[in-house]
Amino acid sequence: DIQLTQSPSFLSASVGDRVTITCRASQGISSYVVWYLQKPGKAPKLLIYAASTLQSGVPSRFSGSGSGTEFTLTISSLQPEDFATYYCQQLNSYPLTFGGGTKVEIK
Amino acid sequence: EVQLVESGGGLVQPGGSLRLSCAASGFTFSDHYMDWVRQAPGKGLEWVGRTRNKAKGYTTEYAASVKGRFSISIDESKNSLYLQMNSLKAEDTAVYYCARHYDSSGDPRKGGIDVWGQGTMVAVSS
Repeated sequence: DIQLTQSPSFLSASVGDRVTITCRASQGISSYVVWYLQKPGKAPKLLIYAASTLQSGVPSRFSGSGSGTEFTLTISSLQPEDFATYYCQQLNSYPLTFGGGTKVEIK
Repeated sequence: EVQLVESGGGLVQPGGSLRLSCAASGFTFSDHYMDWVRQAPGKGLEWVGRTRNKAKGYTTEYAASVKGRFSISIDESKNSLYLQMNSLKAEDTAVYYCARHYDSSGDPRKGGIDVWGQGTMVAVSS
């Protein structure tokens, strides 16, 4: 199975900060990575697929990059509504797997 | 409106069974891969399983943790997806989400889950 390791697991930041979250795969997964945002008590929301394609309706401050084993999600200027937990997921092979999550909290 | 509504969750004893339902509306159900994803209390997301679309024969894949115990099925006439859960264990306690997989290219690896249900809670305890 492909393991996804997200770092950091917890991040404290201020509104307006640039934030970067990393997702490392235990083996190469091309660009088959998805990023989600989840707020407490809510279902996750799709942000980015195929490593760098922004889902329709998602603000352009979100961007994704990477291929192979290392991927990043960047928020260029953190907004109040962005405080949440972020997950990566690999779609390269079964079983599909998620990273452990990165919780972004207000500093 | 595109919508997924789960039902069927509840409290069940270890070793018991439960069937979750997911009613889809607002889209052509048979065109999409559909996933089940769960989240234990205070924990992260865990992919449970998938059914491919009608064109792929509704074939299924499962996580190792549920393989042989859980099964996914479809009723096209009801636009519904099901998760039959047998031999339940305490570690199966979670919110279970029904989810629609989206891809624009025809390659499911180049997509993601774009529609989620509200989730249904399953608690396994004596």
